[in-house]
Amino acid sequence: GAVVSQHPSWVICKSGTSVKIECRSLDFQATTMFWYRQFPKQSLMLMATSNEGSKATYEQGVEKDKFLINHASLTLSTLTVTSAHPEDSSFYICGPGAGVPDTQYFGPGTRLTVL
Amino acid sequence: KQEVTQIPAALSVPEGENLVLNCSFTDSAIYNLQWFRQDPGKGLTSLLLIQSSQREQTSGRLNASLDKSSGRSTLYIAASQPGDSATYLCAVRGGGKLIFGQGTELSVKP
Repeated sequence: GAVVSQHPSWVICKSGTSVKIECRSLDFQATTMFWYRQFPKQSLMLMATSNEGSKATYEQGVEKDKFLINHASLTLSTLTVTSAHPEDSSFYICGPGAGVPDTQYFGPGTRLTVL
Repeated sequence: KQEVTQIPAALSVPEGENLVLNCSFTDSAIYNLQWFRQDPGKGLTSLLLIQSSQREQTSGRLNASLDKSSGRSTLYIAASQPGDSATYLCAVRGGGKLIFGQGTELSVKP
């Protein structure tokens, strides 16, 4: 299966600061990357889909100016949480876009805590 | 809009018991359905993938079934073990997106 890494695995930051999360597809080229968010005891909610070399597609209700997504290469997508607030504290997880019939894999996730 | 529901939300069973987790979805126009396992604070591990044209898939002690017309899938775990304790999530793919259910938190007691 696909090998996906995320960095950092956890981060604590002060309110108002920005945090960048990296998602790397290690063993294949990902033209798209899905970014999900998971609050405690809740399911995964799709935030956006990043596209290599073009703008990301955001889900309804997700602020694109707050959650900046960049997909600069076929192996790297980044999510930057700008001016983070405590309500942004969550588990962020990415997964490379797979072909429709294929198994979807995910990175190990990043735990963000905003104080 | 696709909605995925999992029942029960939590389940506690003694070791060795066979169990069934349920997943239902509102829009039957799906490409596939995938079952995942998530350990506390961890990412997702893919367990089984069922294509829309398939009825079931098996892997070891796990068996997943799919009835697309009725919008249902089940995950059967045979001879449960304490190591099976985790949250189990089902997700359906349609329109290019993977939509998740809320998960079933399983606890297998020794």
